[in-house]
Amino acid sequence: EDQVTQSPEALRLQEGESSSLNCSYTVSGLRGLFWYRQDPGKGPEFLFTLYSAGEEKEKERLKATLTKKESFLHITAPKPEDSATYLCAVTRTMEYGNKLVFGAGTILRVKS
Amino acid sequence: DGGITQSPKYLFRKEGQNVTLSCEQNLNHDAMYWYRQDPGQGLRLIYYSQIVNDFQKGDIAEGYSVSREKKESFPLTVTSAQKNPTAFYLCASSRWSTGRKETQYFGPGTRLLVL
Repeated sequence: EDQVTQSPEALRLQEGESSSLNCSYTVSGLRGLFWYRQDPGKGPEFLFTLYSAGEEKEKERLKATLTKKESFLHITAPKPEDSATYLCAVTRTMEYGNKLVFGAGTILRVKS
Repeated sequence: DGGITQSPKYLFRKEGQNVTLSCEQNLNHDAMYWYRQDPGQGLRLIYYSQIVNDFQKGDIAEGYSVSREKKESFPLTVTSAQKNPTAFYLCASSRWSTGRKETQYFGPGTRLLVL
């Protein structure tokens, strides 16, 4: 069965304190791994898609990397506005279209 | 502005009542999806649709129904058969092409509460 596990569940950082979030997955035939950011009471906002091991993508203070078993979201010198829940999802191909299997998310709090 | 709209933002359901959540997109996407989000859990797929007048059950379809009469619209009805409807409901859409890994984009969500 496809599974996505995110760790830690919650992370508190001081402004400027770099860290990484982990997303480990088991899926038969990875089609794509997605990172989303979700603010409280809002819908998830798309950040990155990674398709193959070794791939990396960057956006401002965020960098996502992918291996055969896990993905990391590296946050460099975070600011309070980076506080949010970060969701990881993998694509599973169904008979009709693709399905996203989500992890439970990591809640990030950055204090000034 | 292209995007996905969901309404209402908050919805209250009385016992035994059916309620309908609206989802509209102007991204010209073929595929639309409904997810349910509960605290501490990942999003779970309720229903999805690749094309007008066709839709498929997701992992937790019991107690829900959908229709897809227009490409832009994919309403979700929470029926009285859904015994634990309190949750945050998210609608998403994507382009769809066999074998492609299309990104799903989400609406702002509807929070359903039971009175």
